[in-house]
Parts: sequence; C-alpha cells; structure tokens
Amino acid sequence: QQQVKQSPQSLIVQKGGISIINCAYENTAFDYFPWYQQFPGKGPALLIAIRPDVSEKKEGRFTISFNKSAKQFSLHIMDSQPGDSATYFCAASRGGADGLTFGKGTHLIIQP
Amino acid sequence: GAVVSQHPSWVICKSGTSVKIECRSLDFQATTMFWYRQFPKQSLMLMATSNEGSKATYEQGVEKDKFLINHASLTLSTLTVTSAHPEDSSFYICSARDPPGGPTDTQYFGPGTRLTVL
Repeated sequence: QQQVKQSPQSLIVQKGGISIINCAYENTAFDYFPWYQQFPGKGPALLIAIRPDVSEKKEGRFTISFNKSAKQFSLHIMDSQPGDSATYFCAASRGGADGLTFGKGTHLIIQP
Repeated sequence: GAVVSQHPSWVICKSGTSVKIECRSLDFQATTMFWYRQFPKQSLMLMATSNEGSKATYEQGVEKDKFLINHASLTLSTLTVTSAHPEDSSFYICSARDPPGGPTDTQYFGPGTRLTVL
C-alpha cells in the first residue's frame, strides 16, 4: 500500500517558470509533511515542511500548499532555475517519533 | 544548522562479509535516528528506527538479524549489514531527528553510504 502518492514522475520547466509537484496521502494520522531535494549520490536535503494547522507556507521561492480535506499537498517552486534541477520527494510522518514515508519522487529538469 | 555525517561514503565488499556504517549527529544530540535504503532511481524506504539506549524498531520485511542497529550514544548510530549479498547493494542513508521539545520535528539526513556487494 503506497501511503504517499507523488506526481508527476518527471517534469521539465523553462527557466523562470513555476514548477509544481503534487502529493496525496492516505493516512489521516499523518501530521507532518516535508519536502526534500536530492541530487545524485547525495542525501536528501530539507526544503520546507508544513503541518495541518496551516494551508500554506512560503520560504523564499518555495511554497507548500496544503489541503487537509482532500489529503493533498503540493510544492511550488517559483522562478525556477537550472540549479533547481534535482529529484524532489514529498514525505509524511505521524508525529516526530515516526520515520518518514516518502513519495516516489519527481525528477525535475529546468531548461535554460 | 544541524549536520549529520556518515562513514564510509562508499564501500565495496565480498559476498558473505559484514559491513558497518556509522551515522553521527555532529552538532546536536539525537535520541532518535532512522535508517533508510534507496535503490537506484527509487524512493527512500524506512528500514528501522533507532532509539538511544534501546532496541531498534524494524519495519515490516526488514530482517533484524541481517541489519544490526546499535544506538549506544546520543550522537552515534551504527548499521551493520551481516553476511552481505549482492541484493543488499544499495544506498543507505541515516537521519537524525531534532531532540524532543525542539522547535521542529525535522529529520536531518546524512550524505549516504553506497554499498556494493560483489
């Protein structure tokens, strides 16, 4: 059972455009939703995270939108740059004590 | 910021041997660390949760006798892959969680260890 579904699997965006990645979860006990960026051969790095008590969170060019009733959340990358080309993973966990359940990842390519 | 290190960054071993991977939180104490495995072009899968001073909790399908986890101090957790086989070849990544009561429940990930079993 895949508890966190992520789409699209791959995404190509022109430089300066908006990159949008979507995730949906099934377990209503999840209460922490982070996004990670991973470059080849490296560990994932936290970009931004949100909890269900807010519907949107923005940090620099990165914004998470959260829809609790639909059990969906998305990452928006504004003014996308070639350096943003990486694999992005959404994740979810049930409180801080639990490990993360990851989506399958989105391979993002920003074309110059 | 919180830094997590792993050692070694890559290791090649012969089938049947054991390999130990270390995960250290460098600038904070981590009562809880996690071990993940990532196969090429796939997502991260949680293997086990490691709590300082107690036995690790393994996810369903992960052999606890094959993947030995020790969390003997607040800054160090080790994963030992025993009797490694080629199918154990993977990218092993640890994470350390903010201490309880901290500002977030953020998991900080290490750089990963690439294991190749010949």
